[in-house]
Amino acid sequence: DGGITQSPKYLFRKEGQNVTLSCEQNLNHDAMYWYRQDPGQGLRLIYYSQIVNDFQKGDIAEGYSVSREKKESFPLTVTSAQKNPTAFYLCASSVSGRAVYNEQFFGPGTRLTVL
Amino acid sequence: KNQVEQSPQSLIILEGKNCTLQCNYTVSPFSNLRWYKQDTGRGPVSLTIMTFSENTKSNGRYTATLDADTKQSSLHITASQLSDSASYICVVSVFQAYSSASKIIFGSGTRLSIRP
Repeated sequence: DGGITQSPKYLFRKEGQNVTLSCEQNLNHDAMYWYRQDPGQGLRLIYYSQIVNDFQKGDIAEGYSVSREKKESFPLTVTSAQKNPTAFYLCASSVSGRAVYNEQFFGPGTRLTVL
Repeated sequence: KNQVEQSPQSLIILEGKNCTLQCNYTVSPFSNLRWYKQDTGRGPVSLTIMTFSENTKSNGRYTATLDADTKQSSLHITASQLSDSASYICVVSVFQAYSSASKIIFGSGTRLSIRP
């Protein structure tokens, strides 16, 4: 999957618990992204980061948080404030956020299920 | 509103047959359009990318077309194989002159099933 790893592949969480999804890339890409995928819907952007120590909210950031302390890593925390967290989460990276270079390489995804 | 619509939602064809998937978009200003293939439970993988000036791009048995005037794209798959069973996602980028980041709009995908 293009040098991007996500872990774990499957994750089960009890309601009210926070959980952190891991995303690591070895492509030396500046930009990283988190998406959520629900059945029958297009990918929706949660957060993105164009450079270390900087990130911006996407279209559905409520109930999520991220950090970008290292270029290679962009972990996503799903907090208890996220009302419907069960979904397939995809991490991606690109050379930069500019359109010319914005081919995104995706990780294998993490399927989160809230019990 | 920037939107990407794909049709059909799902498609079943016999192995060896050809098929064409459609993508209509209302994104403006347009930067580029990509087709991705997503196997079940995996991340999407890029198949083709086209900019405004390109109207066709091939990648093996996959051929994408773009009509920037009508804002339509198609993905044609020739001599389908069982491994072509996947979701195909059309993705359009919006040019943003005031920002270094591009806005990316994803279609909801066409789920293609190839039957032996």
